[in-house]
Amino acid sequence: NAGVTQTPKFQVLKTGQSMTLQCAQDMNHNSMYWYRQDPGMGLRLIYYSASEGTTDKGEVPNGYNVSRLNKREFSLRLESAAPSQTSVYFCASRGNWTDTQYFGPGTRLTVL
Amino acid sequence: SQQGEEDPQALSIQEGENATMNCSYKTSINNLQWYRQNSGRGLVHLILIRSNEREKHSGRLRVTLDTSKKSSSLLITASRAADTASYFCATDRSGNTPLVFGKGTRLSVIA
Repeated sequence: NAGVTQTPKFQVLKTGQSMTLQCAQDMNHNSMYWYRQDPGMGLRLIYYSASEGTTDKGEVPNGYNVSRLNKREFSLRLESAAPSQTSVYFCASRGNWTDTQYFGPGTRLTVL
Repeated sequence: SQQGEEDPQALSIQEGENATMNCSYKTSINNLQWYRQNSGRGLVHLILIRSNEREKHSGRLRVTLDTSKKSSSLLITASRAADTASYFCATDRSGNTPLVFGKGTRLSVIA
């Protein structure tokens, strides 16, 4: 039981490049979330998916797209990376019968 | 926008002392949760308190909730160096909405 896994752990991009951050959970959770964490800013919600087949914008969705591929996987795509997207990205999940969220280890992204 | 605001932003104490962190929020909530983050790691859930509860304990952790003041506090008793981490409060307005996190309190426990 791995919980929430994220790949890659680290990534360096040049401005304008694209990439997809992968997230998977093995807890059969319905809801999944993408957050970004910047120094002194706490966690800000980018997108979330309340169930397979649905996605909704969070607080800071601009510049990102998401795909809920199936119940296990929720990916975050940067189509044209910008230096302002340099951050640590966390994926999380939550089941139907629990109010707590389970977090992945994070992806540290630097955009040059 | 962020719902919770932790206070203080940073706290440094000696091992064995108690650490108290506070969280204020703006709207009505279903529950309030505290999470811990070790440097470079993901967040880990510590404790949840529901809106109809006033106090909850878990090991060395004690959480209080005052819904009339829209505030909560987290007390860590007899702190250890291993408690050094950032602590975040998160509010849950309903079971179907995402948690909203504060900016966190950085706790340093000096051995």
